[in-house]
Amino acid sequence: GAGVSQSPSNKVTEKGKDVELRCDPISGHTALYWYRQSLGQGLEFLIYFQGNSAPDKSGLPSDRFSAERTGGSVSTLTIQRTQQEDSAVYLCASSLGGGGTEAFFGQGTRLTVV
Amino acid sequence: AQSVTQLDSQVPVFEEAPVELRCNYSSSVSVYLFWYVQYPNQGLQLLLKYLSGSTLVESINGFEAEFNKSQTSFHLRKPSVHISDTAEYFCAVIKVSGTYKYIFGTGTRLKVLA
Repeated sequence: GAGVSQSPSNKVTEKGKDVELRCDPISGHTALYWYRQSLGQGLEFLIYFQGNSAPDKSGLPSDRFSAERTGGSVSTLTIQRTQQEDSAVYLCASSLGGGGTEAFFGQGTRLTVV
Repeated sequence: AQSVTQLDSQVPVFEEAPVELRCNYSSSVSVYLFWYVQYPNQGLQLLLKYLSGSTLVESINGFEAEFNKSQTSFHLRKPSVHISDTAEYFCAVIKVSGTYKYIFGTGTRLKVLA
């Protein structure tokens, strides 16, 4: 596609349920990022995939969070046993890789845990 | 580790007035610097970036930023703002080499008043 695509755009879930958020990066982009955007918190780094290298998971806030990237393309962020503090906008971005390249962001998934 | 500080969470300014959005960073290694903008109800998009060379970089819509290594700053300026510049602005850094994850500041909400 022309840009980074995320689905769903909105998700309301009950506390304790598991959710999966999907990201389709720009074709050919080897780097993929997940960020969480909360009011007043800016963009919080979650996880970074680069090609076939082991992902940088240093930003995942707890073991309830996990992500995978299949075939070097689509990525899924999974949150298990959701809590109200998980409510946020989850942003995915992709880039060609390398430090000087631009990251292209999707529109995000707004997650609300009730 | 890298960190980015945007001290001003909100900046109100009248139309046609100048504005400066401050960004300071901390890093023990060389970094590249970016400004991203998020217009209301839109995704993040790159505004400008500093990789090397001239320390003053410009965007197509009149913004400029100057890299100051001694002060570890990358402040964003515009001599005359428009209503359409109302948005949230994020400063970000990424290491020149190594793990290429973007570290973002908490953002500055620019509100241009008529």
